[in-house]
This record gives sequence, structure tokens and C-alpha cells, in this order.
Amino acid sequence: GAVVSQHPSRVICKSGTSVKIECRSLDFQATTMFWYRQFPKQSLMLMATSNEGSKATYEQGVEKDKFLINHASLTLSTLTVTSAHPEDSSFYICSAQRTGYFGVNEKLFFGSGTQLSVL
Amino acid sequence: QKEVEQNSGPLSVPEGAIASLNCTYSDRGSQSFFWYRQYSGKSPELIMFIYSNGDKEDGRFTAQLNKASQYVSLLIRDSQPSDSATYLCAVNIIKEYGNKLVFGAGTILRVKS
Repeated sequence: GAVVSQHPSRVICKSGTSVKIECRSLDFQATTMFWYRQFPKQSLMLMATSNEGSKATYEQGVEKDKFLINHASLTLSTLTVTSAHPEDSSFYICSAQRTGYFGVNEKLFFGSGTQLSVL
Repeated sequence: QKEVEQNSGPLSVPEGAIASLNCTYSDRGSQSFFWYRQYSGKSPELIMFIYSNGDKEDGRFTAQLNKASQYVSLLIRDSQPSDSATYLCAVNIIKEYGNKLVFGAGTILRVKS
């Protein structure tokens, strides 16, 4: 099966620092990747849709200057949380859509998630 | 109105019973629907997807879709303690820039042995 690697799995940082999270599709090409955030006991909330070679599309209420997304290749998307604050502490999950399956989400593969804790 | 709504639970069922999980959605144009299982601290794993009205069975799982009522459900037969998890209903919504998967808040299922 397709594998999406997300790194790091856990990060603890000081308030005001920036944290980069990587999402890699290991054995398939992903034109589109999605970034989700999940607070404790809540559902996954889509933050942004990342398309290779173009600017990410952010959901309403998500600050594009705070959550920088780069999708420079067909196998890698990164999310950088800039100037992190305690309220940014959350579980961040990426998912990758296999190229050629536009609109068909059963070809959507999830990373293992990153637990971010900002002190 | 939330795009995807689920009862948060917890839903408690005895081992061997049928667990019934329900979900409603608001976008009448949605065409594809998914059930994910999520264990605490882990990312979701896909259980089933369904596109057409009616039932779709896969092992102990049956997904049911009623587009007229904007309702999708998941039945788990012969529930096992290992089925205890949060079940997320997700609906594919088509936007002008592509598609996105919108998740419900999830229903906590507890199967008691």
C-alpha cells in the first residue's frame, strides 16, 4: 500500500520559534496534499490544500502568513508554523492524494501525524 | 449548520453486538462518503467508502447511504473490544479549486467485553 511519511512525529518548542513539518509520499506521486489540524477530542479541520508548483489554498480563518506551506515537488510538502504560540499546540496531520485520482478520495493517504507542543 | 454532523457519543455496546454509527451532511451535491477509524494519538485509517445509495458491505462493516435524506451510517457487526475507537464520517465536497474532505467530529465507540 501507499505510504506517507510525516516527520517529526512529536516536537516541543519554545514560544516564538518556528517549526517545520514534512510530509512525503514514499512510493507515489502526489499532486495534491492536504494539511489538517486536530485539537484534543475534536475532529480534523482542514487548514489548507497544497498543490505542487503553486500556492496553497487556505481555509477560511487560517492565517497563510503563520502557516507557510511549500509543495515544491510531487513527493514533498512542508508546513512551517512560524512564531509558534501555545495556542498552536495541536496534532497536525497531512494527507496525500495520488496523482491521477482527482476528486476520488479513497486514494487519499494519511501521514502518521505530528504532535506539536509549544511551551 | 455544520457540513458534517455526528453524535459524539460515547456509544457503548457489548462485545458481539451490532454498533450503529450515524452521520448527516449538509451539501446536497456531495457524491462520495467515507468512514475512518482513529485511535487516540494516531492518524485516521480508512474503513469504507460509499458512492451510491443503498448498502455496501465489507466483512463486518456495512455502510449505508441515503442521499435524499443526506444520511450515511456505518454498522459494525460482531463488535470486538479492538473496535473501540473514534469513528469519523467524512464527506468529499467539490470546490472551485478542487475537492476537499470534510470530517465530522467523530463518534466514540466503546465495546465492552
